[in-house]
Amino acid sequence: DAKTTQPNSMESNEEEPVHLPCNHSTISGTDYIHWYRQLPSQGPEYVIHGLTSNVNNRMASLAIAEDRKSSTLILHRATLRDAAVYYCILRDVLGQKLVFGQGTRLTINP
Amino acid sequence: DAGVIQSPRHEVTEMGQEVTLRCKPISGHNSLFWYRQTMMRGLELLIYFNNNVPIDDSGMPEDRFSAKMPNASFSTLKIQPSEPRDSAVYFCASKPGLAGVFEQYFGPGTRLTVT
Repeated sequence: DAKTTQPNSMESNEEEPVHLPCNHSTISGTDYIHWYRQLPSQGPEYVIHGLTSNVNNRMASLAIAEDRKSSTLILHRATLRDAAVYYCILRDVLGQKLVFGQGTRLTINP
Repeated sequence: DAGVIQSPRHEVTEMGQEVTLRCKPISGHNSLFWYRQTMMRGLELLIYFNNNVPIDDSGMPEDRFSAKMPNASFSTLKIQPSEPRDSAVYFCASKPGLAGVFEQYFGPGTRLTVT
């Protein structure tokens, strides 16, 4: 499985945008980029995914570099509830497996 | 929709005892995944099923672990005999089998402590 690299931790303030980076220099052409997050004492939850184009949904935006070797998850206006561990995961288009790394622990200051 | 249901939520047992964790996937989902999360190893996929058939069990640590899915609405993960190093949070997740649907839905987890 192609690997991803994320910062161990990040901190931001409530109501400000947050940009969570992910490097995936060995990504293959058939790998989708997925983001999940895990709130304290809960199971992971899906945030967003993309292949080549930038994506938006009600939770976040995903910006994918033109060469696809990196991506950024954007929370447009962070709330305290967004404090979680965020995982960037590559999944082959034909595969079912999600391989979780260590993720980025996001702290939101009031 | 009730989401993925796992039971028990907490389990404390003594080394050597048999432990059975249970999972009810979301109705209509035909893929089911078992994960284990520890501080040391993070979140690991143990096994997954498609249409009740085990597809990939390469993550199952050893023969003490076994998983079954007797029907579309129920799966078990059994550890026999249990050891202290099995202490972890075990998550079950399910996913629809529809083309183009990528999202896995996770349950709340079972926190297992083996003393």
